[in-house]
Amino acid sequence: NAGVMQNPRHLVRRRGQEARLRCSPMKGHSHVYWYRQLPEEGLKFMVYLQKENIIDESGMPKERFSAEFPKEGPSILRIQQVVRGDSAAYFCASSVGGYNEQFFGPGTRLTVL
Amino acid sequence: KNEVEQSPQNLTAQEGEFITINCSYSVGISALHWLQQHPGGGIVSLFMLSSGKKKHGRLIATINIQEKHSSLHITASHPRDSAVYICAVKGNTDKLIFGTGTRLQVFP
Repeated sequence: NAGVMQNPRHLVRRRGQEARLRCSPMKGHSHVYWYRQLPEEGLKFMVYLQKENIIDESGMPKERFSAEFPKEGPSILRIQQVVRGDSAAYFCASSVGGYNEQFFGPGTRLTVL
Repeated sequence: KNEVEQSPQNLTAQEGEFITINCSYSVGISALHWLQQHPGGGIVSLFMLSSGKKKHGRLIATINIQEKHSSLHITASHPRDSAVYICAVKGNTDKLIFGTGTRLQVFP
C-alpha cells in the first residue's frame, strides 16, 4: 500500500506563472488536507477536501489559490500568478475520515524566481 | 500567543541520553499528533493520541488532557533521531494546528 504521493517534488516557477501541485492520497483515503511551510516557519493549514467537496478552506489565501479533489484522480493545489512569497514547501496529508490519523506526503518544494 | 507551544525550541544531546520534548496547547482538542521532520525531508507521523500514553520502540508519548500538556520522550537517543519534532492538535474542526517544532541534534 503506497503512501501519500506528491508530485512534483521540486517545482521552479518564474513570477507570474502558474504552479500545479498534485497529491494522491493513500488507498482507501477520501480526505485530503493541504498545508504550507514557509521558510523557517511552522506548518499552516490551507484547505481540507473530501471527494468533490471543499470542507474547509479557511487557511487558503483568498486570491490566486484554489484546490480541488475530483471524483477521479489526484487532488490539485493550483497557484496562479505566483509571487516570490509563495516559495515554500507544500505538504498534503490524507486520512480515512475526519477524525482519523493523517498521513503526510513527502511535500512539494516550490521556488519562485 | 500561539495556540500550541513547544519547548525547548532547540535541544542538543549526547548519544544515549533520555530526551523530553514538551507541548502545551490552549484550545480544546480531539486528538494530538507528534510528527517528525528531517531536514529537507518529508513529515512522518509518530503518534496520534487523545488520552494516556503510547509507546513505539524507543519513543513514548503521553498526554494530560486536564493540564493541556503532552510530552514526547526518546529513550537511548541516537544520532539518527536528529530531526525537528512537531506537536499538532486537532480541535473541533478537522484541521491541525501546529507548534513551531523542536530541533533535536544528537551527537555521537
